[in-house]
Amino acid sequence: QQKVQQSPESLIVPEGGMASLNCTSSDRNVDYFWWYRQHSGKSPKMLMSIFSNGEKEEGRFTVHLNKASLHTSLHIRDSQPSDSALYLCAVGGSNAKLTFGKGTKLSVKS
Amino acid sequence: GPKVLQIPSHQIIDMGQMVTLNCDPVSNHLYFYWYKQILGQQMEFLVNFYNGKVMEKSKLFKDQFSVERPDGSYFTLKIQPTALEDSAVYFCASSPDRGQLYFGSGTRLTVL
Repeated sequence: QQKVQQSPESLIVPEGGMASLNCTSSDRNVDYFWWYRQHSGKSPKMLMSIFSNGEKEEGRFTVHLNKASLHTSLHIRDSQPSDSALYLCAVGGSNAKLTFGKGTKLSVKS
Repeated sequence: GPKVLQIPSHQIIDMGQMVTLNCDPVSNHLYFYWYKQILGQQMEFLVNFYNGKVMEKSKLFKDQFSVERPDGSYFTLKIQPTALEDSAVYFCASSPDRGQLYFGSGTRLTVL
């Protein structure tokens, strides 16, 4: 079983719309959650991290975390075609190992 | 932002040969990682190290794999001998802190 489950596998939203991505860890030993974005043919780039319960906003991006359920979500408002990419959720623990999920492929259609 | 350099960008070799992938991390970073990604799919953790020592290896890190940091600057992933299933993009990353990974642009390895 995957330690990091992401849903949906793929998502299509209209330009200007809201994209919502989900991620749940099955490993209770995780300490922190990260979201990365990978454009086609490129390397992953950090988007946002969240370490404690609640919400964190940076521009058009908002991350939520519920540590009790080990669930995090990423919301992108006013989605742009340039946001089309593979969004990777990653979880880490005390050994500094970062485990990635399979990702959600986001397509923003103009 | 900080740059992690990987060379070569592409490598084509015959099955059974040895290959060395090179990574020049960000100079003041403390954690180093290698990941394997097949055809834009999941990023699979291979190995990480800190302070010159391997912290954890995954099941994908077969006996044919080894990592080194020869002169304290760049670090390498060596595969000897290579197998067909080793064909993938290999990403190295360095990090100043846990979770905050800066990835190189990757080496696309093709084993024939």
